[in-house]
Amino acid sequence: AQSVTQPDIHITVSEGASLELRCNYSYGATPYLFWYVQSPGQGLQLLLKYFSGDTLVQGIKGFEAEFKRSQSSFNLRKPSVHWSDAAEYFCAVLPSGTYKYIFGTGTRLKVLA
Amino acid sequence: DAGITQSPRHKVTETGTPVTLRCHQTENHRYMYWYRQDPGHGLRLIHYSYGVKDTDKGEVSDGYSVSRSKTEDFLLTLESATSSQTSVYFCAINSGTGGFEAFFGQGTRLTVV
Repeated sequence: AQSVTQPDIHITVSEGASLELRCNYSYGATPYLFWYVQSPGQGLQLLLKYFSGDTLVQGIKGFEAEFKRSQSSFNLRKPSVHWSDAAEYFCAVLPSGTYKYIFGTGTRLKVLA
Repeated sequence: DAGITQSPRHKVTETGTPVTLRCHQTENHRYMYWYRQDPGHGLRLIHYSYGVKDTDKGEVSDGYSVSRSKTEDFLLTLESATSSQTSVYFCAINSGTGGFEAFFGQGTRLTVV
């Protein structure tokens, strides 16, 4: 079955430290890949997306993600975290040929001052 | 922000009563979705629509029905609400062309007592 795994439920980092959130998917072909962020009480906002081409994609708020086909991974990174980055982050895939998104269970990020 | 409005934003209802949540979009997007968000489960697809009067089930459709009589409106109905349907419900839209990303509404917090 198609699935998306975010192995880290919670991550705590200090402000200014680097960040990497992991995402692995299970799907035969390369799907479309997304990262969303959700602040408390809000809807989901798109951070970045990957369809094809350059495997390192840039997004909003200084985030980037790297697609690695061999590892079926699409990890999200930020070189220096700001306190305002505290939120929940969701990885999602859209299998090619469908319009049904599959979401991971999310990673909640806490930022220490 | 994409023009998506969910109503109501908050609702408390009693077990056994019918409940209808509304999603209204001003983007003329083809695809509309209803997800529920629960701790530890991320977002799970309830139903989605790929056009007026065209709908399909998601992974957690039991106890829910949907209708789409106009492009702009997608209704989610809980025929007889149960406590297990206490959740945050999100509507999302996708144009079906171009970027393939989904845009989300602000969510509806439903409590069934």
